[in-house]
Amino acid sequence: EAGVVQSPRYKIIEKKQPVAFWCNPISGHNTLYWYRQNLGQGPELLIRYENEEAVDDSQLPKDRFSAERLKGVDSTLKIQPAELGDSAVYLCASRSGGLGYNEQFFGPGTRLTVL
Amino acid sequence: SQQGEEDPQALSIQEGENATMNCSYKTSINNLQWYRQNSGRGLVHLILIRSNEREKHSGRLRVTLDTSKKSSSLLITASRAADTASYFCATDAEEYGNKLVFGAGTILRVKS
Repeated sequence: EAGVVQSPRYKIIEKKQPVAFWCNPISGHNTLYWYRQNLGQGPELLIRYENEEAVDDSQLPKDRFSAERLKGVDSTLKIQPAELGDSAVYLCASRSGGLGYNEQFFGPGTRLTVL
Repeated sequence: SQQGEEDPQALSIQEGENATMNCSYKTSINNLQWYRQNSGRGLVHLILIRSNEREKHSGRLRVTLDTSKKSSSLLITASRAADTASYFCATDAEEYGNKLVFGAGTILRVKS
């Protein structure tokens, strides 16, 4: 079974430029998460989707960040315009959902460097 | 501030020794999870312990939970070089909207 796929793995851009990250979750997983991980820190949740609905985006900086999950499968996270402080690893995770606990499966992440 | 905090921040041991990492948190939790992250790779779920459990084992891993002290420990026995990674605890708590809140992690280096 394929894991969570993310692309690109690395991205270097200049500040004020736009950038987009793509995530394809594990097949059949209804719940999708985007996290940001700063250097030396643990991941912090940006947004959670249940199918195509964003059910928790309270920590998403909505002035410059946007996300979508059309058709409830793959998802895109966008930053426009990027700032120096956005340099981090952006992780996507998915979970099968349903009753009870299901562990989250993480992708390898996209390392963003903003110059 | 973060819900979970790991201690120590970094740990260096010889292969074959045991490694113990601790996690403290602030609120009542539903469960606590431990994850591992190798350099340049994503996070891998290791083990989950529910709030009504006190100890769980999985292979060379042993996790304890003390809800009265709001703390957990992860013990890796007979460590191997391949255990070199960052280890994070993550809590699932109603106060935080039932989402996983990660600590800053412990960097473990196992020397061969």
